[in-house]
Amino acid sequence: ELKVEQNPLFLSMQEGKNYTIYCNYSTTSDRLYWYRQDPGKSLESLFVLLSNGAVKQEGRLMASLDTKARLSTLHITAAVHDLSATYFCAVDIILTGNQFYFGTGTSLTVIP
Amino acid sequence: EAGVAQSPRYKIIEKRQSVAFWCNPISGHATLYWYQQILGQGPKLLIQFQNNGVVDDSQLPKDRFSAERLKGVDSTLKIQPAKLEDSAVYLCASTTYRGLAGGSGELFFGEGSRLTVL
Repeated sequence: ELKVEQNPLFLSMQEGKNYTIYCNYSTTSDRLYWYRQDPGKSLESLFVLLSNGAVKQEGRLMASLDTKARLSTLHITAAVHDLSATYFCAVDIILTGNQFYFGTGTSLTVIP
Repeated sequence: EAGVAQSPRYKIIEKRQSVAFWCNPISGHATLYWYQQILGQGPKLLIQFQNNGVVDDSQLPKDRFSAERLKGVDSTLKIQPAKLEDSAVYLCASTTYRGLAGGSGELFFGEGSRLTVL
């Protein structure tokens, strides 16, 4: 059974601090996606990581992918309140084609 | 470019009643998904269509849930009869086929349909 696990599940951090969210998955996949969800809203795509070693950065967020370790990280630099949201990683499965499985989510609260 | 459209946005029904949700994907997107998101959890895949064919419905509770995509465009998800545990947001998403040159396979989500079963 495919598992996509994130940690931590809940993260409370002060503005200006750095932190990393981890996403581990249990099966072969060469693509990983990060999404953001604000309360009561739908999911917004943040990053698409298409190969081993891929690194993408947007503002204070940076995502990376290690397919050999089956691990992706989402690093937050100098957090600001606007980053408060729930972050999901998702993997798609090579062998069965375009099936996306989402992680458990990390609820981030940035405290002023 | 228009996004993924879903309706209704909100629905409240009593248990054992039926409900239907509609989704119109982004134009040209061959792959369509229905996800169930229970409060505080990640989206759970219910069914995946490629054009009008079902790719994966292994997690769809087929005794009460059904979905169709007759002409390979719009899709409908139906629940009959509803149970209390069906209270959730039902998300529709679409994507281009990942095999296309330049296709990232990225999912685009609709706003979701929030179902409350009393």
